Amino acid sequence: NAGVMQNPRHLVRRRGQEARLRCSPMKGHSHVYWYRQLPEEGLKFMVYLQKENIIDESGMPKERFSAEFPKEGPSILRIQQVVRGDSAAYFCASSPRGDSNQPQHFGDGTRLSIL
Amino acid sequence: GDSVTQMEGPVTLSEEAFLTINCTYTATGYPSLFWYVQYPGEGLQLLLKATKADDKGSNKGFEATYRKETTSFHLEKGSVQVSDSAVYFCALSDRTVGTDKLIFGTGTRLQVFP
Repeated sequence: NAGVMQNPRHLVRRRGQEARLRCSPMKGHSHVYWYRQLPEEGLKFMVYLQKENIIDESGMPKERFSAEFPKEGPSILRIQQVVRGDSAAYFCASSPRGDSNQPQHFGDGTRLSIL
Repeated sequence: GDSVTQMEGPVTLSEEAFLTINCTYTATGYPSLFWYVQYPGEGLQLLLKATKADDKGSNKGFEATYRKETTSFHLEKGSVQVSDSAVYFCALSDRTVGTDKLIFGTGTRLQVFP
């Protein structure tokens, strides 16, 4: 099953450390979306990327968060100097093109816990 | 801005009961509408979608009709099973006002008992 692959599935960090979350889109998909799900809440959009380009980062916090999707390799969501409030499930989704007629396919998420 | 409102859960039903989960939306343009399902510990799976008014999406016995006049996309199933227990998310994507990011409701937990 060559679906969207996220790793790690679970990540524990102490306050002040860095967290790196990886997402490999489905084969043939060049569009990647990151969402955050806080406990008992729906998913909130963070950022939308194509290869080597950030298309929409309107949902990204202004500080400490960054994302990239290089020409080769997975997309990375990076959180610097993590705080307790960053504890959440982070989901990646991919689609073959940026078209609402092409539904987004989701990975199983990375559950980030901050001690 | 665009938004999605879902009925709060949990919804608790006996097996073979009829299911309705209400979803209404607010959108500036002409959105596409989706229902996603999330099983414990997993990501979201697309359940069904509709891309224009009066379209009906259906899958695995679930249905939802895009009602522009009432800005609604209610999810229905005639006879639920225990295996349908999950969290259901209504979502929209409105490319006319930006990119194809999904805007989600807060989710409705469904619990089906035998």
